[in-house]
Amino acid sequence: QKEVEQDPGPLSVPEGAIVSLNCTYSNSAFQYFMWYRQYSRKGPELLMYTYSSGNKEDGRFTAQVDKSSKYISLFIRDSQPSDSATYLCAMLGNTDKLIFGTGTRLQVFP
Amino acid sequence: EAEVAQSPRYKITEKSQAVAFWCDPISGHATLYWYRQILGQGPELLVQFQDESVVDDSQLPKDRFSAERLKGVDSTLKIQPAELGDSAMYLCASSLGTSKDTQYFGPGTRLTVL
Repeated sequence: QKEVEQDPGPLSVPEGAIVSLNCTYSNSAFQYFMWYRQYSRKGPELLMYTYSSGNKEDGRFTAQVDKSSKYISLFIRDSQPSDSATYLCAMLGNTDKLIFGTGTRLQVFP
Repeated sequence: EAEVAQSPRYKITEKSQAVAFWCDPISGHATLYWYRQILGQGPELLVQFQDESVVDDSQLPKDRFSAERLKGVDSTLKIQPAELGDSAMYLCASSLGTSKDTQYFGPGTRLTVL
């Protein structure tokens, strides 16, 4: 079993939809949770960074962490075609090594 | 805005040949990471440097891969000999200090081994 599980998609939604992206994990030592966005043929870029449980909002993006369920989510409101990319969750525990999910490919069509 | 630079962007080679990738991190970033990303998967850490010292190379196939960061600035990752299974995107990232600091990724080098 992988430490971090993420549905690879693809997820296809119309412009303006609310998108929900999720990851589950098995390692209870994870304390830092990140979401990266990766456009085709580019490196990942950090979108959201949260510590422990709770919500964090930044513009159209909201990150949620539920440590009791070992479940994290990224919500995108009013999705745009420019949001079409692969979204990677990543987690960090006590080993100082960032562990990534497989990524979910999102396509937002006009 | 400062960025992580990588070269080449694309590399095609035949198996058993040697290849090398170069990375220049953001100025002032002490920690440098090399990741390998196979198509359809997330990045996996190959090696992590703190300044010029290797902090973690537990996932680096040391029989064929080597990495160095002389003078604690730019870094080179080498594969010799390349194998078909090495075809992947090789990503370099840097951060100010530890892995808890934001890691900034370069554009990557896409390697194809024929």
